[in-house]
Amino acid sequence: KNQVEQSPQSLIILEGKNCTLQCNYTVSPFSNLRWYKQDTGRGPVSLTIMTFSENTKSNGRYTATLDADTKQSSLHITASQLSDSASYICVVSEGYGGATNKLIFGTGTLLAVQP
Amino acid sequence: IAGITQAPTSQILAAGRRMTLRCTQDMRHNAMYWYRQDLGLGLRLIHYSNTAGTTGKGEVPDGYSVSRANTDDFPLTLASAVPSQTSVYFCASSSRYGPDTQYFGPGTRLTVL
Repeated sequence: KNQVEQSPQSLIILEGKNCTLQCNYTVSPFSNLRWYKQDTGRGPVSLTIMTFSENTKSNGRYTATLDADTKQSSLHITASQLSDSASYICVVSEGYGGATNKLIFGTGTLLAVQP
Repeated sequence: IAGITQAPTSQILAAGRRMTLRCTQDMRHNAMYWYRQDLGLGLRLIHYSNTAGTTGKGEVPDGYSVSRANTDDFPLTLASAVPSQTSVYFCASSSRYGPDTQYFGPGTRLTVL
């Protein structure tokens, strides 16, 4: 069964610290992997999208990595800010050659950044 | 440019009533989607549309219907609401179905009593 599992479920860090969120997937065939940020009460916003051939992609203080061999991805947040407090969702596309047949969503990691 | 708008923001509905959730995008995207988000579960696709005039079923389509009469609008209808349809509903759009980034609306919080 195609699944996306994220860890930890929740995380509390102090402002200014770095953190890393994990995503493991069993989706096959794999097309691409996306990370979304969802603020409380808002819709998800795309942070990064990586295809099979990409192993890292950055968006400001957010850096995503992908290891397609081990089917793992991580999202690293550098110098965290209070505004980083949100749920971070890993999404894997099932499909061939860049096409997407289905998106499989993880349940998210809830990050709280404290002053 | 507003992006994607959804209405209403929230709604409390009696079981058995009919309800239409509205979604409008101004990005001229071809593809649109409806998801529901429940506590402890990932977003689940209800219905989608590749382009105006076509719709398809997602992972959890039962009890819901959609239409896509034009590019901008993608309403979701609950013909006879049940308490298990209590959820937060998100509409999304993308330039093309599948590989492109999806842009999400602000969501509609629906409670069915």
